[in-house]
Amino acid sequence: QEHLVQSGAEVRRPGASVKVSCKVTGYSFTSVDFNWVRQAPGQGLEWVGWMNPTSGEANYAPKIQGRVSMTRNYSISTAYLELRSLRSEDTAVYYCVRTGLSGYYLKSWGQGTLVTVSS
Amino acid sequence: QSVLTQPPSISGTPGQWVSISCSGSGSNIGKNAITWYQKLPGAAPKVLIFNNFERPSGIPDRFAGSQSDTSGALAISGLQSEDEAEYYCSSWDGSLNGVVFGGGTKVTVL
Repeated sequence: QEHLVQSGAEVRRPGASVKVSCKVTGYSFTSVDFNWVRQAPGQGLEWVGWMNPTSGEANYAPKIQGRVSMTRNYSISTAYLELRSLRSEDTAVYYCVRTGLSGYYLKSWGQGTLVTVSS
Repeated sequence: QSVLTQPPSISGTPGQWVSISCSGSGSNIGKNAITWYQKLPGAAPKVLIFNNFERPSGIPDRFAGSQSDTSGALAISGLQSEDEAEYYCSSWDGSLNGVVFGGGTKVTVL
């Protein structure tokens, strides 16, 4: 049974940075892409970006490009999302997600990490 | 403004058949499959339909997906109270080189 377990809730001031982790068990960490998706309070799902855990190649949503980095440490099967220069509109639950093997879809989701940006 | 377009809300009575539409373009649904997710408050989204019409194990056949040209739909037959949730369509977008979502449809069981 595969599991994606994320780090706990974070509170940051505007302009600060945050790094969220996602530890994977139950499947080969490098076999499929990771995506990060967020949901702001009262809003819909928003794609943040994807990363190939083998090559480290990543692509980010235009809205957040330049403030975001996705990295990984495959020795501990963990993916990371770092968001810099935080703004109040970055307040959201952030989910790490692995893709499926047959077709590009968001198959298995972490439990979510609430990031609150507030002064 | 979401790349994929869904109705904001629909409602139905128990046992009824309802359908949620999802409209996109040639760079997403026109070339790539649709996925449907169910989102309950406080929980992570769950895959209901992938590859346009396939269901993961454990998803009842009351849920059915379809796709034609640049649009798709999720049909729920025999609506049940536990189906009350937010539903999102999604697809890969080749122009964005990323995933796009619809704005979500709130399903209410009357």
